[in-house]
Amino acid sequence: DVKVTQSSRYLVKRTGEKVFLECVQDMDHENMFWYRQDPGLGLRLIYFSYDVKMKEKGDIPEGYSVSREKKERFSLILESASTNQTSMYLCASSLHKEGGAFDYGYTFGSGTRLTVV
Amino acid sequence: GNSVTQMEGPVTLSEEAFLTINCTYTATGYPSLFWYVQYPGEGLQLLLKATKADDKGSNKGFEATYRKETTSFHLEKGSVQVSDSAVYFCALWMDSSYKLIFGSGTRLLVRP
Repeated sequence: DVKVTQSSRYLVKRTGEKVFLECVQDMDHENMFWYRQDPGLGLRLIYFSYDVKMKEKGDIPEGYSVSREKKERFSLILESASTNQTSMYLCASSLHKEGGAFDYGYTFGSGTRLTVV
Repeated sequence: GNSVTQMEGPVTLSEEAFLTINCTYTATGYPSLFWYVQYPGEGLQLLLKATKADDKGSNKGFEATYRKETTSFHLEKGSVQVSDSAVYFCALWMDSSYKLIFGSGTRLLVRP
């Protein structure tokens, strides 16, 4: 019954590496999101996408980019990983409705804990 | 701007105790309000929601009432269980936005 799948639960990368975090949803949702979760800071939005090939910056996009070539897949890219990008990364999706998708809420993946050394 | 403020944790309770986790919000307009729960090692799950003033959301024994006059959406449960140990996030949604705005989360630890 898995609906939002993140490719890795744990990842260790070296400083300067290019890192890809993958997220796939099987619910035909239009909207997809990448958050990072840090103690005391809650969830902060990095990027979101409301359609294929569309993307919008969230609150903390610096150092990240995204790709959405297919509706079901939303990738987060760390162009040159740094130690301050060590975090838990959460992907989510939601159904688009006129005026918002809140009736269905967000469906989250289980998260990827990334450590940059 | 729009924001959500939650009480800092951790909140530590004994089993069967009464739970309150405070949440207040700032918003220009009339948001929808949510509580999400994150169990250890998992992503967030929607716990309950309320879309207009005086609505009460409820699920799994948890309740929260949308209070416009105090801009609050406090989470309550009459008798907590060890299995309720998790991190709880309050969030708001504005119709003009695609995104949820989350509070910083409150960790709940319930001891047997």
